[in-house]
Amino acid sequence: SQQGEEDPQALSIQEGENATMNCSYKTSINNLQWYRQNSGRGLVHLILIRSNEREKHSGRLRVTLDTSKKSSSLLITASRAADTASYFCATDAGGGNKLTFGTGTQLKVEL
Amino acid sequence: NAGVTQTPKFQVLKTGQSMTLQCAQDMNHEYMSWYRQDPGMGLRLIHYSVGAGITDQGEVPNGYNVSRSTTEDFPLRLLSAAPSQTSVYFCASSYSGGNEQFFGPGTRLTVL
Repeated sequence: SQQGEEDPQALSIQEGENATMNCSYKTSINNLQWYRQNSGRGLVHLILIRSNEREKHSGRLRVTLDTSKKSSSLLITASRAADTASYFCATDAGGGNKLTFGTGTQLKVEL
Repeated sequence: NAGVTQTPKFQVLKTGQSMTLQCAQDMNHEYMSWYRQDPGMGLRLIHYSVGAGITDQGEVPNGYNVSRSTTEDFPLRLLSAAPSQTSVYFCASSYSGGNEQFFGPGTRLTVL
C-alpha cells in the first residue's frame, strides 16, 4: 500500500514561477525524503527532512514537515525548464532501508 | 565512482522463464534495495538488505528471490516470470538506514 499521497498529480507552470507540491502520509516516520525522476531515468535524491525538523532548505528547494498533520510540502522557487520531472516523496519509518513512496507529482515547466 | 549500476537495461521474457537482474554498487554501502515502478504508481519495495548475508522482504516480494553474498552485489531473481511482473525495476543503495538512497538507472522488463 502507498504510504504517501501527493497533490497535485500534475502541475504546469511558466518558467520563473514557484512550484509547490504536497505529500500526505499515514504512519509515524523517522524522516521524509523527496526525489526527482526525469523521464525514463532513475531517481535522484533532493532533500531529507527528519521528524524533529520543521523546515529545510537546499538551493532553490524548501521543504516543510508537519508531523501533527502527517504532511510535507516541497517548494521549488524560480523554476526552470530543466526542473520538468516527476517528484516523489518517500517516508522512512525506520527498521532498515525501507522507503515507502508516494504516487508522485508530474511537474512541467514551460518556457 | 560508477555509483549504482544495473544490467540489463531492457529485457523481454516469456511467461514461465526465469532470469536475474543484476545490481552492483561501488560506494561500499551496506544497505541495498530493489523496487518496482508501475505506471501511475510510486515505487514499491520488493526486497532489501542491510548487509552481506542479510536480506528481508518488502511490500511486494512474491515471485522474487534475492541474495547478498558480497557488499557490492544484490541480484534479483525472477523464478517463473508472469505478465504481472512487467515493470521497471530499480536498485538502490545507501550508507545506512535513515539516509538518502542512490538509485540505479533501472531495468525495463516486459513479460509476454
